Amino acid sequence: KAGVTQTPRYLIKTRGQQVTLSCSPISGHRSVSWYQQTPGQGLQFLFEYFSETQRNKGNFPGRFSGRQFSNSRSEMNVSTLELGDSALYLCASSFGSGATDTQYFGPGTRLTVL
Amino acid sequence: QKEVEQNSGPLSVPEGAIASLNCTYSDRGSQSFFWYRQYSGKSPELIMFIYSNGDKEDGRFTAQLNKASQYVSLLIRDSQPSDSATYLCAVNSYNTDKLIFGTGTRLQVFP
Repeated sequence: KAGVTQTPRYLIKTRGQQVTLSCSPISGHRSVSWYQQTPGQGLQFLFEYFSETQRNKGNFPGRFSGRQFSNSRSEMNVSTLELGDSALYLCASSFGSGATDTQYFGPGTRLTVL
Repeated sequence: QKEVEQNSGPLSVPEGAIASLNCTYSDRGSQSFFWYRQYSGKSPELIMFIYSNGDKEDGRFTAQLNKASQYVSLLIRDSQPSDSATYLCAVNSYNTDKLIFGTGTRLQVFP
């Protein structure tokens, strides 16, 4: 089975721009969770989508948004980029919803904001 | 108090030794516990999960869970230099249904 895929792998943007990241889960998985990883804060939960619905959300500003499509693929959007948004963005897929099911991570998208 | 705490390390062990990684958590309602390994510049890779008190073994890895004391540990037997990585402990939060990660323990295995 193919693993979780994320595109693009690397991205360089400037302050004020917006960015869209994509995640394709493992076949058959319906839940996609997004995380931000920085050296100072570690892995921080952004949100979870299950069956096209956002079912959980972390403590991030409204500039961070996402959606999920009927084929379970998910996108994450960050608008009005700030320098502090530079991070590794990871998505993880699981078969079921919630945090009790095992999550498998994609390779991540490294975002650099200049 | 952090929800999931790990010693940041580095934990240095010689090749062939047992590496012991520890994690404590604050939510008594937590039910699922995961260990991930993350090499520098890579994404987290699942090593093991454990749901019940006691030990769970998988190859050279053993996860130990003690819900009464709210700690979970990972033992790596016959440590190899290729085990050198950051090990992340993750615990589900019963109240928020989110997976909470510790900041990770950096393990260094020297030849």
